[in-house]
Amino acid sequence: EVQLVESGGGLVQPGRSLRLSCAASGFTFDDYAMHWVRQAPGKGLEWVSGISWNSGTIGYADSVKGRFTISRDNAKNSLYLQMNSLRTEDTALYYCAKDMRGSGGQFDYWGQGTLVTVSS
Amino acid sequence: AIQMTQSPSSLSASVGDRVTITCRASQGIRNDLGWYQQKPGEAPKLLIYAASSLQSGVPSRFSGSGSGTDFTLTISSLQPEDFATYYCLQDYNYPRHFGPGTKVDIK
Repeated sequence: EVQLVESGGGLVQPGRSLRLSCAASGFTFDDYAMHWVRQAPGKGLEWVSGISWNSGTIGYADSVKGRFTISRDNAKNSLYLQMNSLRTEDTALYYCAKDMRGSGGQFDYWGQGTLVTVSS
Repeated sequence: AIQMTQSPSSLSASVGDRVTITCRASQGIRNDLGWYQQKPGEAPKLLIYAASSLQSGVPSRFSGSGSGTDFTLTISSLQPEDFATYYCLQDYNYPRHFGPGTKVDIK
């Protein structure tokens, strides 16, 4: 059974940093691209960042480019999102999602999310 | 960046109705599009990939069509469990963009 478990969310002040993690199990992690998707309270889905199976291709939403860094550790079956210079508008539920392909496709499995609240 | 629009933003329908939702890309994306269903308090669920391929386990009343810039999601006979918000997502390139969503509620 595929499982994606996010952690690392919490309350943080504007301008500070936070690192999210996603622990994956139930599939061959290093065969698939992975993504972070967020959803602000009461709003729609926003793709944040994606990384190919070998970290060779990485993409970011314009809203986070230069502030967030995605990475993965295939030996640990883990995905990460380093979030720096956080803003109040980064407040959202952050989902980890598994891609159907190694280099980029649709997202066939999702975690339950970790909540990030940016507030003073 | 490729922008995605959806219409309508919301609709009211009855059980048994045929429902169609449209998604448009700001430039051609071949058939690199998927559809998702999200219910309150739940993670999104993939329904359709490659514009028209039904994801495993998804009921056959859901179907997708289109290529290039215009796509549709059709629910042939709306069921009580289908009341939810639906999103499209292009996987043609980075950065990815979801459509703004279409909320389907009970008439």
